[in-house]
Amino acid sequence: QLQLQESGPGLVKPSETLSLTCSVSGGSITGGSHYWGWIRQSPGKGLEWIGNIYYAGSIFYNPSLTSRVSMSMDTSKNHFSLKLTSITAADTAVYYCARLALRLSLPDFWGHGTLVTVSS
Amino acid sequence: DIQMTQSPSSLSASVGDRVTITCRASQGIRNDLAWYQQKSGKAPQRLIYAASSLQSGVPSRFSGSGSGTEFTLTISSLQPEDFATYYCLQHNSYPLAFGGGTKVEIK
Repeated sequence: QLQLQESGPGLVKPSETLSLTCSVSGGSITGGSHYWGWIRQSPGKGLEWIGNIYYAGSIFYNPSLTSRVSMSMDTSKNHFSLKLTSITAADTAVYYCARLALRLSLPDFWGHGTLVTVSS
Repeated sequence: DIQMTQSPSSLSASVGDRVTITCRASQGIRNDLAWYQQKSGKAPQRLIYAASSLQSGVPSRFSGSGSGTEFTLTISSLQPEDFATYYCLQHNSYPLAFGGGTKVEIK
């Protein structure tokens, strides 16, 4: 059964870089039928799509974050990662990793989410 | 970028009530719209895809309709387990965009 598990620091200082990893089990990130992506939710707020990555090289980022975000994959470890630079309190959120159907770019499976708090 | 406007932002209803939630896209998105349910502390779960197709395992009291710019999620008879927040998502073009959410509360 597919499982996605986010990992990373729960507390990050302002201006630093946030790094998160999503470990995938029960399926391969090189399976070819899916994007792998990140979505976040600020406390008490709605959902914001961050970006998607495909093992063959396609990457899509939210234009609102393009200057600060990067995503990568490690196929040997079957995980993918998110980096967000120059973070501020506005980046405090629950970060979800997700699988997205390739043809539709539609999230169909989510991790449980990890809370990242930005504070000095 | 396509903007998704969801209404109402919250509503109070009783068990057994019929509930309707609306999402409007800032430009036409065909039927590239999904609905998600999120319960407190949990990840969203997909209810509807392609505007009106019911996700496997989702009760038939949930239904979706619409195309183009106007979409509706209907719960025909609200059940206790349906009290949650609902989001629409357009996936017609990047950037993917969620509606602001509708919190369904117990009256």
